[in-house]
Parts: sequence; structure tokens; C-alpha cells
Amino acid sequence: GAGVSQSPSNKVTEKGKDVELRCDPISGHTALYWYRQSLGQGLEFLIYFQGNSAPDKSGLPSDRFSAERTGGSVSTLTIQRTQQEDSAVYLCASSLGGGVDTQYFGPGTRLTVL
Amino acid sequence: QKEVEQDPGPLSVPEGAIVSLNCTYSNSAFQYFMWYRQYSRKGPELLMYTYSSGNKEDGRFTAQVDKSSKYISLFIRDSQPSDSATYLCAMSDLWSSGNTGKLIFGQGTTLQVKP
Repeated sequence: GAGVSQSPSNKVTEKGKDVELRCDPISGHTALYWYRQSLGQGLEFLIYFQGNSAPDKSGLPSDRFSAERTGGSVSTLTIQRTQQEDSAVYLCASSLGGGVDTQYFGPGTRLTVL
Repeated sequence: QKEVEQDPGPLSVPEGAIVSLNCTYSNSAFQYFMWYRQYSRKGPELLMYTYSSGNKEDGRFTAQVDKSSKYISLFIRDSQPSDSATYLCAMSDLWSSGNTGKLIFGQGTTLQVKP
């Protein structure tokens, strides 16, 4: 079946611009996660959704970062006024119900801020 | 200091070698331990999953958890060139995270298996 998909696969933007990154989880998965992978770093948790609610936003690095999920499905991560330190691969994962359920990752969006 | 430490490598071995990958951690509340494999330009995929201490074997892969030492390992037997990838350890503390399942990852170790 279809896995987690993300778009765009690559995004190059100028410092100060806003960007939107999209995640389409596996159908039926209620839990959705965003992680960030910077060069030479492991994955860093950003936010967790259960349905359309985000009970854990503890990993969002600043108020320039926000995310929403609609219809219990698609999620969008928005970064406002991008900075060079925002350059990273943004990965989305979904799982059946959260908790110990296996997280399936998408291929990521590679963001480059010039 | 990071909660999870992992030597980034790179680690280069000949085909057929036994590979040992390791992580240490500082949070004694972690109960679930995972190993993910990530090929270049791809998302991570789950390889092995262990709850609490002990060993788990799956084909050529063995995962070990030693909670007393806060140390986990992944062993790959008869390594193949197709095993060349980045291996990420990940951990979860369900109780304090409110059962979200959010994962804390190590930096990842890059492995190259040469034919």
C-alpha cells in the first residue's frame, strides 16, 4: 500500500520567506509526527498530532514554526521568516495510534535557506 | 550533553564481517529501544524493536539492551554491501511523554560494507 508521502521533496528559499511543507500520512493512521534532521545530527522531534489535535508541540524551536492537521489526515508544517539555521531535512512519520506503534517515515523535504 | 549518544563513524568493514553499532543514553526512564536504518535520501525504516533489557534476534540482526549500563547495541552478522546505510538508535519513554510515542534519536552511524 501507499506509504507516507511528503512534498516538495526539495525546497530552496531565501532568508526571510515563509515556506509550507506537506505530509500525507498512511491512510487510517491517527498519529502523525514531524522531525527535523540537520546535517550530521540525528532526528529531532518537533510536534506530535493525534487526530487533528497537537498534544505535544514541545519540539518546535521557535514561534516561527507552526503546524496543523486537517481531516485527521494531511499535515502542513509552516516556517515563517526562514533563517539559514532552518536548513535541514524535515521528516514526517505516521503510526496507527501513537504510543508503541511503529512509526513509518516519509522521504523528507530537504529545505535550503539561502 | 545529549540524551542519546552515538558515534557517527563512518564505519567501513569488508563484506562478511560482523558489525557492532552502539548507543549510550542518560535517561533511565527509557523503556523502548529501536534501531532504524536510513539509506541516502530516504526516510528511516524500523529494523529492530526491543522493550526493556535483553536480546532480540531477527535473521542477521541482533539487538541488545543493557539498562543497568544504559547501553544498547545492534549486531549485524555476515554483513552485505546492501547493509551500507546510516543506522540510527531511537528511544522512547511512554510514561513521561504522555504515551505520544515521540522518539529520541542518536546521531546515527554511517556504515559502509565493501565487496
